[in-house]
Amino acid sequence: GQNIDQPTEMTATEGAIVQINCTYQTSGFNGLFWYQQHAGEAPTFLSYNVLDGLEEKGRFSSFLSRSKGYSYLLLKELQMKDSASYLCACMDSNYQLIWGAGTKLIIKP
Amino acid sequence: ETGVTQTPRHLVMGMTNKKSLKCEQHLGHNAMYWYKQSAKKPLELMFVYSLEERVENNSVPSRFSPECPNSSHLFLHLHTLQPEDSALYLCASSQKVGTGGEKLFFGSGTQLSVL
Repeated sequence: GQNIDQPTEMTATEGAIVQINCTYQTSGFNGLFWYQQHAGEAPTFLSYNVLDGLEEKGRFSSFLSRSKGYSYLLLKELQMKDSASYLCACMDSNYQLIWGAGTKLIIKP
Repeated sequence: ETGVTQTPRHLVMGMTNKKSLKCEQHLGHNAMYWYKQSAKKPLELMFVYSLEERVENNSVPSRFSPECPNSSHLFLHLHTLQPEDSALYLCASSQKVGTGGEKLFFGSGTQLSVL
């Protein structure tokens, strides 16, 4: 079966760095997405990786290793507003999105 | 503001009620989706409409009935729901080009409670 695994909850300190991991097992691969969802709000797109390597967008970076079925989202210089859930989703060979259950990130002062 | 608007934001209904959820997208996209989000579970895709034609129905019970009258509007009609249907219902849109990588734009959802 197809599966996405990510930690349920993580805690980090304001100003620090946190890495949220995502491992996937899918039938084929057409890219991996990260979305951010603040409580009570819409999920919003953060990144899309289809090739191996690191892509940086300001304080956020996303990494992909297709051979390992692994991705991570790296958040630097954490701010209180980064407290949210982070959703990992993988697109399979049929262009269907397989979603993880999300990682709730708690930022402490 | 994501360009996708959902109403109502909150809905409480009894098991014998009939209600409808509404979604409108202002992005000119050609595909719209209904997702169910339950606490600590992955998003569940319910329905997909592409160019106003339903292209996917993921074994959703018939008590959920979608309607897409045009490319900008999507409805989810609800009747005789069960308490386990209580969840956040998210609408999303995208511009499908068939090559993957299309990002979804989500509405803020309707938090549904079935009593």
